[in-house]
Order: sequence, then structure tokens, then C-alpha cells
Amino acid sequence: QVQLQESGPGLVKPSQTLSLTCTVSGGSLSRGTYYWSWIRQPAGKGLEWIGRISTSGSTTNYNPSLKSRLTISVETSKKQFSLKLSSVTAADTAVYYCAREGVGAAPLKGAFDIWGQGTMVTVSS
Amino acid sequence: DIQMTQSPSSLSASVGDRVTITCQASQDISNYLNWYQQKPGKAPKVLIYDASNLETGVPSRFSGSGSGTDFSFTISSLQPEDIATYYCQQYDNLPFTFGQGTRLEIK
Repeated sequence: QVQLQESGPGLVKPSQTLSLTCTVSGGSLSRGTYYWSWIRQPAGKGLEWIGRISTSGSTTNYNPSLKSRLTISVETSKKQFSLKLSSVTAADTAVYYCAREGVGAAPLKGAFDIWGQGTMVTVSS
Repeated sequence: DIQMTQSPSSLSASVGDRVTITCQASQDISNYLNWYQQKPGKAPKVLIYDASNLETGVPSRFSGSGSGTDFSFTISSLQPEDIATYYCQQYDNLPFTFGQGTRLEIK
């Protein structure tokens, strides 16, 4: 059974770059028709989709609200995909989730069917 | 961006009650809508996909309906373990967007 696990620093200073990695276990990152997304949730608030990457890395889609600061990449051999968000401010403080999205002929197309447990990132000096 | 408006934002109901949450999209999204349940401290879990399809393993007391701009999510008989926040999510257009959530409590 596929599982996702986020990792990275829990504290980032303002103006620096937030870097997180999601590791896929129990299955192949490159098998099947899936995209791999990042989603965040400030404390006590709702969910915001950050962006996604295809298995091959050939396609990335970013939320326009974050696009100028955002890079999502994939390392298939390591079964990992990563998020880099630059020039962070306190507004970027949130729980960050990685998630799998079905695409194309996959079941649950457009739905996030597997999620990591989430990692809290605080932006503070 | 497509705006997703959920109502109510919070709801208190008794065990056994029928509970309905609505979600309205700012434009036609066909049936490209999913519903999630999020319990405190946990990641969301998909319950309903494509507006009305029950995800495998999800109890049949959960259901969804609607198309176009107006959708609803129903719990036919509320159970104590259903206490959570529920979100709708559209995938018709990027960026994907979620409703603001409906917090469900037991009366």
C-alpha cells in the first residue's frame, strides 16, 4: 500500500527558502497515472492547493498565487518529490501535505486519494 | 480561480440525525467535485469523488449529489465518529480549489 511521508525543517526564517521532500513508500512513484501534489493548511484554516508534478517531471502546474516563488521537482529513482518556496513570510506558516492525485484513466481522477501525515512549517526569526 | 462556497460553516447535530452540507461553485464544474473528511490533527480523507461516487471502504451513510454549480453532501444517520471538518474540492480548472470547510459537531 502506497504511503507518503513529508520531511524537512520545521522552522524557516523570513525571506529564506522553505524546502520539503515527500517520500513514496510501498509502491512506485513512476507506476500508474498519477500526479503528485503539495497542499497546505494554516492553523485553523482551510486547504490550499500549492501545485503538482507529473511522474516524469515533464509537467508542473502551480497555483498562480505562489508561482513566482515555487518550484516542484521529482526524483523518480529516489521515489521522492520536493517543494521549494522562496522568500517566505509568516503567511507561509502552515501544515504542508503531499498527496497523490489520480489523472487520466486512473480511478479517482482529480481526487487526492493518498496523503502524507503533514508537516508543520513555521516561518519566524 | 473557481470559488467554492460551502454552507454552513459549522453545524451541530445529534447522533442519528440526517446532516446535509452544500457547496456552490462560482462557475459550472460539471461533476468534477470531491468531498473530504478531516479529523483533528489528521490529513483529509476522500469520501466522495465525481460528486456522487462513494470511495471504496467508505460507509454507505455518506452520499453526494449535484452537478453544474450546486452540490450537496449528506450523512444519512450521524455517528459519533463522523465528527470532523468536511471540505468540497473542484478539479474542473486549475488551480484546484477547496471550500472553506464545514465543522460538524455533536449536539
